[in-house]
Amino acid sequence: EAQVTQNPRYLITVTGKKLTVTCSQNMNHEYMSWYRQDPGLGLRQIYYSMNVEVTDKGDVPEGYKVSRKEKRNFPLILESPSPNQTSLYFCASNYRPNTEAFFGQGTRLTVV
Amino acid sequence: GENVEQHPSTLSVQEGDSAVIKCTYSDSASNYFPWYKQELGKGPQLIIDIRSNVGEKKDQRIAVTLNKTAKHFSLHITETQPEDSAVYFCAARRTGANNLFFGTGTRLTVIP
Repeated sequence: EAQVTQNPRYLITVTGKKLTVTCSQNMNHEYMSWYRQDPGLGLRQIYYSMNVEVTDKGDVPEGYKVSRKEKRNFPLILESPSPNQTSLYFCASNYRPNTEAFFGQGTRLTVV
Repeated sequence: GENVEQHPSTLSVQEGDSAVIKCTYSDSASNYFPWYKQELGKGPQLIIDIRSNVGEKKDQRIAVTLNKTAKHFSLHITETQPEDSAVYFCAARRTGANNLFFGTGTRLTVIP
């Protein structure tokens, strides 16, 4: 089954404690991205990757890092989380940018 | 960058009636316009998309129209059913760009 898998689904952490949200896709897609979803703001792109070792900033990259060492994995790293990063995060993958984006189930992050 | 506005933010309809959600975009170079449905606790899922060389596209009870001159596009759902209840997002992508810009979402409730 074609899918994008994120882990964990829920995470509560404290300010400043580094964390990683993993994302994996089994569709051999080259393009992957991370979004955050906040009430009244819709989904905003954090980072994207066109292929292995190729990443670039989206609209709201501050406070986040990503890496793309393998085609299937695209982890999101918060080096020093802050309460304003409390949000619902989605990973997505596409064959190409102008094709269907497949989204993961989401990770609800709370930073206290 | 692109700015996508979506209206209404909430919409309630009686089962069997039609629902219309409207979006406007600011970048005349945008050429790809997908619509996503997000059910509670799940990631967004593509329901229909349209490219700028087409004015209308239909898939069973769902249709999307695009007016490039006015820079707006709309989602039409006919014969609504309770399972259509969800949050719907429109989005736009500019030619050659990697970012997908989302609207702020419409919560559709279909009343049985």
